[in-house]
Amino acid sequence: EVQLVESGGGSVQPGGSLRLSCAASGFTFSNYNMNWVRQTPGKGLEWVSYITGSTNIIFYADSVKGRFTISRDNAENSLFLQMSSLGDEDTAVYYCVRAVGGTGRAFDVWGQGTLVTVSS
Amino acid sequence: DIQLTQSPSFLSASVGDRVTITCRASQDISNYLAWYQQKPGKAPKLLIYAASTLQSGVPSRFSGSGSGTEFTLTVTSLQPEDFATYYCQQLDRYPSLTFGGGTKVEIK
Repeated sequence: EVQLVESGGGSVQPGGSLRLSCAASGFTFSNYNMNWVRQTPGKGLEWVSYITGSTNIIFYADSVKGRFTISRDNAENSLFLQMSSLGDEDTAVYYCVRAVGGTGRAFDVWGQGTLVTVSS
Repeated sequence: DIQLTQSPSFLSASVGDRVTITCRASQDISNYLAWYQQKPGKAPKLLIYAASTLQSGVPSRFSGSGSGTEFTLTVTSLQPEDFATYYCQQLDRYPSLTFGGGTKVEIK
């Protein structure tokens, strides 16, 4: 079964840091580009970051650029999101998401999400 | 950035109804549009990609159409399990990926 399982969420104070992890199984992880997407009640779904299977191309949303770092370990079938200088606006459920590309591009597999709460 | 405007934002319907949701893009995105369904407490689920291609396992009562800047998602006969929130997403190019604001479909 194709599966993505996030972990690492929790409560953190403003200005703090947190590292999210995503364990992939059921598919050849290195063959797929991966994303982080977050969701807040007020702002809906927001794409956060993207990394290619070979890690040679990375993109970030403007809202997190310079504060978040995406990475992956293909040997461990894992995706990561290092988050720093966290603010209230980063409070959200964070999803690890597999991407398919080409003409049929879409986000076809989503994890269950991990909640990050930034609060003093 | 490309903006996506979904309408309506809220829809009340009955089982068996035909339902149509519209997604308008602020610029041409060809057919790089996907539709997702989300139920409370769950992750979004891919329904349609490339504007009109049904994802494997998704019931045929769901269909998508459109290209360029205007797209629609149609459910031909709404079932009890279809009451959810629906989002469109444009995948024209990174890093400007955006989602629509969502359409909540509730039971009348």
